[in-house]
Amino acid sequence: DGGITQSPKYLFRKEGQNVTLSCEQNLNHDAMYWYRQDPGQGLRLIYYSQIVNDFQKGDIAEGYSVSREKKESFPLTVTSAQKNPTAFYLCASSSSQPETQYFGPGTRLLVL
Amino acid sequence: GQQLNQSPQSMFIQEGEDVSMNCTSSSIFNTWLWYKQDPGEGPVLLIALYKAGELTSNGRLTAQFGITRKDSFLNISASIPSDVGIYFCAGRETSGSRLTFGEGTQLTVNP
Repeated sequence: DGGITQSPKYLFRKEGQNVTLSCEQNLNHDAMYWYRQDPGQGLRLIYYSQIVNDFQKGDIAEGYSVSREKKESFPLTVTSAQKNPTAFYLCASSSSQPETQYFGPGTRLLVL
Repeated sequence: GQQLNQSPQSMFIQEGEDVSMNCTSSSIFNTWLWYKQDPGEGPVLLIALYKAGELTSNGRLTAQFGITRKDSFLNISASIPSDVGIYFCAGRETSGSRLTFGEGTQLTVNP
């Protein structure tokens, strides 16, 4: 089946630890995105990539890093510099025309 | 980043009632999207609109791209309990490369 997968579903982070969230798509989409969602709120863009080996900061990139070495994969690292990482993280992808984004199932990150 | 003004924030309705929600922007958009999110899950695309004035249906759902290109609405007819969830609008500015999301409408349907 075509779609977007995110793993793990739940992730626990200790203080001072970096963690990496996985996002894979087999839709042959060029663009991929990472969003953060806090309880009762909308989606805020962290990073996005429109093509392999290129990515841009979104509105809340501080404390996060990404890579785009393969078209299918766009992992997000939550670094120790992110002081409030507890949130629901959503990955999305889109083709260039028309630009309609499709979402993965999300990863919930909790701090121990 | 710019935020869309989505209203209402929440709705409590009886099963069988019709529902209407809308989004407005200060900028002109060339794409409007409507998503539904169930608790603990990712948003699922309901309807995509690409032309001003476009009216598109998906079962009991109908959405329209406003003529001014600064607004869109979503209607749900004859609501059922499984319509419960958060509905998000999203739009892309004519000169932009990113989507802007509304804050969501929380829908509760009482049986």
